[in-house]
Amino acid sequence: AQTVTQSQPEMSVQEAETVTLSCTYDTSESDYYLFWYKQPPSRQMILVIRQEAYKQQNATENRFSVNFQKAAKSFSLKISDSQLGDAAMYFCAYRSAGGGSNYKLTFGKGTLLTVNP
Amino acid sequence: NAGVTQTPKFQVLKTGQSMTLQCAQDMNHEYMSWYRQDPGMGLRLIHYSVGAGITDQGEVPNGYNVSRSTTEDFPLRLLSAAPSQTSVYFCASSSFKSLAYGYTFGSGTRLTVV
Repeated sequence: AQTVTQSQPEMSVQEAETVTLSCTYDTSESDYYLFWYKQPPSRQMILVIRQEAYKQQNATENRFSVNFQKAAKSFSLKISDSQLGDAAMYFCAYRSAGGGSNYKLTFGKGTLLTVNP
Repeated sequence: NAGVTQTPKFQVLKTGQSMTLQCAQDMNHEYMSWYRQDPGMGLRLIHYSVGAGITDQGEVPNGYNVSRSTTEDFPLRLLSAAPSQTSVYFCASSSFKSLAYGYTFGSGTRLTVV
């Protein structure tokens, strides 16, 4: 079974600075998808960025980018120019590219990000 | 376009009571699932369904039942509520064609069992 590990329960960053959240995963599969979700205090789950394992190029969405290291099974999230609105719980998640029960998302335990003004 | 609708948003139950958390989606998604979120535990899969009439257990299924009679609806039933079921519950759905795009989540139900 796949597992996702977020080793940083809490992180903090100064407004306008850059912060990197870590995620590692364990899988024997070669084709899969990785995601970062943001959960603000409103509780809504918001997709921040996604990466397809067969693509070597790291995904980027505005101030959010990932460092995807397939061999190391690492998928970190970098937030540049941090804003107060970035304060939230961030979850890393894995999904197999196969079918059947593999449609499920496996989540890490989350990293709570605080942004200091 | 409503997406995934969960009701209720908040609920307080007494130990031993039963209730159903409702989940409906209007995107014709084949895959639907229920997760529970507990502090320090992330989101854990309770049950999932890959289509009408097909359900299966996830990681933490004990104490919960599901059924899927239509594509749109996927209710979660607590048969006899226990304090250990105090949690935030999320329903999520996905199309088989959009595996690369993650799930669409409902807004969650905060359940307290006293």
